[in-house]
Amino acid sequence: KAGVTQTPRYLIKTRGQQVTLSCSPISGHRSVSWYQQTPGQGLQFLFEYFSETQRNKGNFPGRFSGRQFSNSRSEMNVSTLELGDSALYLCASSSGQNTDTQYFGPGTRLTVL
Amino acid sequence: AQTVTQSQPEMSVQEAETVTLSCTYDTSENNYYLFWYKQPPSRQMILVIRQEAYKQQNATENRFSVNFQKAAKSFSLKISDSQLGDTAMYFCAFMFNQGAQKLVFGQGTRLTINP
Repeated sequence: KAGVTQTPRYLIKTRGQQVTLSCSPISGHRSVSWYQQTPGQGLQFLFEYFSETQRNKGNFPGRFSGRQFSNSRSEMNVSTLELGDSALYLCASSSGQNTDTQYFGPGTRLTVL
Repeated sequence: AQTVTQSQPEMSVQEAETVTLSCTYDTSENNYYLFWYKQPPSRQMILVIRQEAYKQQNATENRFSVNFQKAAKSFSLKISDSQLGDTAMYFCAFMFNQGAQKLVFGQGTRLTINP
């Protein structure tokens, strides 16, 4: 099976802009979770989508949002970008069943100037 | 809230040696899962090993094994016969059995295998 894919791999934006990141899960997986990785805060959970519904949400401001489509592909959006949003954004997919293992994509590196 | 602590920011060993990475966690839950993930310089997060809290037997995957001490809330990773390709950041992660797919990560241990 093909792994989790994320596009784009790299992005450069300026403060105040918005950005949309995409994640395609492993075929058959219905859950997609998003994480932010920064040197200072480490890996932090953003949110999880299962069957087009947000099932869990981390402690991030409302500028961070997401959605999931009927084919399980997910997008996350960050509006009004801030310098502190510069990070590696990882998505992970799983079947969605209780504590099924999550498999990660290669990440999108976002730089905010 | 669940927390995961990795007390060793960096470790370095010679190729073929055995190395143990430490991880402790804090939770009031009884049913949960623990993971070790590896993140090489490519930044791709790769699952190394998984342990179910209800299982007393320690998980093993080839050269990788864990020492799971539930009462002590300790979950260490042992890498035997270390190889250059094991050089990476290693993250310990916790997920409790409540249906939501949310991993709580430790801060990571940077492991370097020297030739």
